Amino acid sequence: AQSVTQLDSQVPVFEEAPVELRCNYSSSVSVYLFWYVQYPNQGLQLLLKYLSGSTLVKGINGFEAEFNKSQTSFHLRKPSVHISDTAEYFCAVSDFQGAQKLVFGQGTRLTINP
Amino acid sequence: DSGVTQTPKHLITATGQRVTLRCSPRSGDLSVYWYQQSLDQGLQFLIQYYNGEERAKGNILERFSAQQFPDLHSELNLSSLELGDSALYFCASSPQSLGHYNEQFFGPGTRLTVL
Repeated sequence: AQSVTQLDSQVPVFEEAPVELRCNYSSSVSVYLFWYVQYPNQGLQLLLKYLSGSTLVKGINGFEAEFNKSQTSFHLRKPSVHISDTAEYFCAVSDFQGAQKLVFGQGTRLTINP
Repeated sequence: DSGVTQTPKHLITATGQRVTLRCSPRSGDLSVYWYQQSLDQGLQFLIQYYNGEERAKGNILERFSAQQFPDLHSELNLSSLELGDSALYFCASSPQSLGHYNEQFFGPGTRLTVL
């Protein structure tokens, strides 16, 4: 079984400041790793994914994440945030094979203050 | 727009009732997933169908059931509703090519309120 822990339920930051949203996972098998974003009253949108290869992955809207196998982490970063980044962010994992169902963390609410 | 449609957008009903949520996947996608997002449980996987057959089951209650029809749309049936079933229900679709990563595309969700 897999599990995902997002270490911060809420992260407030000022506009143009850097941000890091932390995610740790647990799995007995190799997994794919994802970050999704949910804007208010909207569905889930894929920000970025790690499948294999380079441990630093770049996504949409200037976000990037680094896979650290030894620490079983997949932290999301952005060097300079904008008001429009205000949203809920979900870290998720899925199996390589089979159903590839997504197992989500509890989410981190990112609030950008002017 | 992900190409996945869900109807209705909002549903308000009473305890004990039964409702049906509908999902139309992206054109060509054979696999449909259902997820529930609630304040208590967060986002959790309920069930997956592939080309009409149930493929995987998650934390789905016995009062809930789903099916996928020959035209590949899917319905999630929720019966004997309780207050705790109030949640946002998402459908996602993917092409589900074996041996490859398959991105899931999420619909906008159906918000169910049980009064």
